Amino acid sequence: DTGVSQDPRHKITKRGQNVTFRCDPISEHNRLYWYRQTLGQGPEFLTYFQNEAQLEKSRLLSDRFSAERPKGSFSTLEIQRTEQGDSAMYLCASSSQTGPTSQYNEQFFGPGTRLTVL
Amino acid sequence: LAKTTQPISMDSYEGQEVNITCSHNNIATNDYITWYQQFPSQGPRFIIQGYKTKVTNEVASLFIPADRKSSTLSLPRVSLSDTAVYYCLVGDLYNNNDMRFGAGTRLTVKP
Repeated sequence: DTGVSQDPRHKITKRGQNVTFRCDPISEHNRLYWYRQTLGQGPEFLTYFQNEAQLEKSRLLSDRFSAERPKGSFSTLEIQRTEQGDSAMYLCASSSQTGPTSQYNEQFFGPGTRLTVL
Repeated sequence: LAKTTQPISMDSYEGQEVNITCSHNNIATNDYITWYQQFPSQGPRFIIQGYKTKVTNEVASLFIPADRKSSTLSLPRVSLSDTAVYYCLVGDLYNNNDMRFGAGTRLTVKP
């Protein structure tokens, strides 16, 4: 399967603990995105990488959140000192943007990591 | 980024054509219109994208009037498996890194 994969699929943690999620994008994709989705809402953009560079961060990404993509391949999203309000589905997506002539920025989403903070 | 407005929910029956309209009154010149589909416990999946007039692919059609202030996703002959949430997004393709999903339209297809 050459789609976007995320690990773990489910994570239960206690308030105050740190958690880390991993995303493996489609191998030839240079762009990687993180979203958060709560029940009944659409995904909310968190951050975006082009290769290893983190180019955009949402104001939703508080200082407790950090994302990395060290070699421009997989990415990790860490949440420190988790709070109950962090409980959500965390989605990763990747896309290939070949330049100004590209007509599409189709993002391919992974299955998500569902976080529950007790 | 252009704000979008869609119906919260729609019901249909198997075999019918479903049209979901999205309003985007402040769409900008460089903005494209993209629709995604999401099943429960899965990430969204790209359906179709367009700039103006009509676009058709193997799963849907997208109708965009000349003023581009709205768009309509058309699903021909829906089946039970088309029950999902459908999101309309509007943004500049080349700088569309901050995709704004609204609450989407929850389509329920009944037998």
